[in-house]
Amino acid sequence: QKEVEQDPGPLSVPEGAIVSLNCTYSNSAFQYFMWYRQYSRKGPELLMYTYSSGNKEDGRFTAQVDKSSKYISLFIRDSQPSDSATYLCAMSRTSYDKVIFGPGTSLSVIP
Amino acid sequence: NAGVTQTPKFRVLKTGQSMTLLCAQDMNHEYMYWYRQDPGMGLRLIHYSVGEGTTAKGEVPDGYNVSRLKKQNFLLGLESAAPSQTSVYFCASSSPSGAGLNTEAFFGQGTRLTVV
Repeated sequence: QKEVEQDPGPLSVPEGAIVSLNCTYSNSAFQYFMWYRQYSRKGPELLMYTYSSGNKEDGRFTAQVDKSSKYISLFIRDSQPSDSATYLCAMSRTSYDKVIFGPGTSLSVIP
Repeated sequence: NAGVTQTPKFRVLKTGQSMTLLCAQDMNHEYMYWYRQDPGMGLRLIHYSVGEGTTAKGEVPDGYNVSRLKKQNFLLGLESAAPSQTSVYFCASSSPSGAGLNTEAFFGQGTRLTVV
């Protein structure tokens, strides 16, 4: 079993839709949770991060962590064509530990 | 400020050939990483380094070697390339002593390697 699982998609939604991206993990020691966005033929870039459980909002993006269920989510409101990318969840045990990535979900937002 | 720079961007190798991928960062980061990205597999950690002169194995280290002789550079070597090493390779760096999220990794633009 992989440490971090993520539905690879592809996910296709119309512009303006609410998008939900999810990851599950097996290691209960993970405390730092991140979402990276990767455009085609580019390196990933950090989008959002949270520490431990709870929600974090940044503009149209909301990250949720449920440690009891070992489940994290990224919600995108009012999705735009510019949101079309692969979204990778990532996590680590401590701020000094190596980061483990999920396989990524490919998202297409259709105008 | 270039961030993380990878050299080369593209390469085709024949089976059995060797090559070195170079990663350079100008952010004075302590940690550096090499990942490979394959369809459906996501980013898999090959080797990483927590400081100059140190290296450690990641998830998929076999067939690769690394060196971190200078803080700003992290080299990934393939001694005898195999078709299974066809992939996109990403280098990243991060700083545990920086402000904010210590685990934020900054990535290079990737190296597309094909082994035939």
